[in-house]
Amino acid sequence: SQQGEEDPQALSIQEGENATMNCSYKTSINNLQWYRQNSGRGLVHLILIRSNEREKHSGRLRVTLDTSKKSSSLLITASRAADTASYFCATGTQGGSEKLVFGKGTKLTVNP
Amino acid sequence: NAGVTQTPKFRVLKTGQSMTLLCAQDMNHEYMYWYRQDPGMGLRLIHYSVGEGTTAKGEVPDGYNVSRLKKQNFLLGLESAAPSQTSVYFCASSRKETQYFGPGTRLLVL
Repeated sequence: SQQGEEDPQALSIQEGENATMNCSYKTSINNLQWYRQNSGRGLVHLILIRSNEREKHSGRLRVTLDTSKKSSSLLITASRAADTASYFCATGTQGGSEKLVFGKGTKLTVNP
Repeated sequence: NAGVTQTPKFRVLKTGQSMTLLCAQDMNHEYMYWYRQDPGMGLRLIHYSVGEGTTAKGEVPDGYNVSRLKKQNFLLGLESAAPSQTSVYFCASSRKETQYFGPGTRLLVL
């Protein structure tokens, strides 16, 4: 069963605008990660936030985590056409296997 | 470093045929995973391994078997392919939380 659910399913914006994607999950987590998938390619890790963190930055990416609401958001600032991709959140729990449970993804289109 | 590689890239099977998908990683990672990705479903975990010689079931293991005889390789087998196994298969490996993915194998079962 899917742990994370991204919202919206699809997002279309103009180059230079900010893109915000949300992820909700159901059970307690150890960490939450965001991955990007370009069409026809494998997933690429973007950023990881641990359950005891509230916000994290990496370049143009900003991730927030609210464990009380079981939700996270990914903000991409000053988007570029090259940011066009699908974005997935994935939740990790303790247990030693480092398994992740992925959401269904948000398809982002950045128009030039 | 090649990272995670998958063989083959694309395959067409007839119902009932068998095949093996190969995943190889050169990062000395302990953990390896096989996922399938279907339209609108995200990634679902088929099987995984926490080390050489170990395997475990994931969310959707039925119809698949795996082996991890060498630390760098993780094989996914389909003994009797079914049309429902038409999908894109991704392998991943990790040392800790972050997973590194291969380019995927597109499988079509007729």
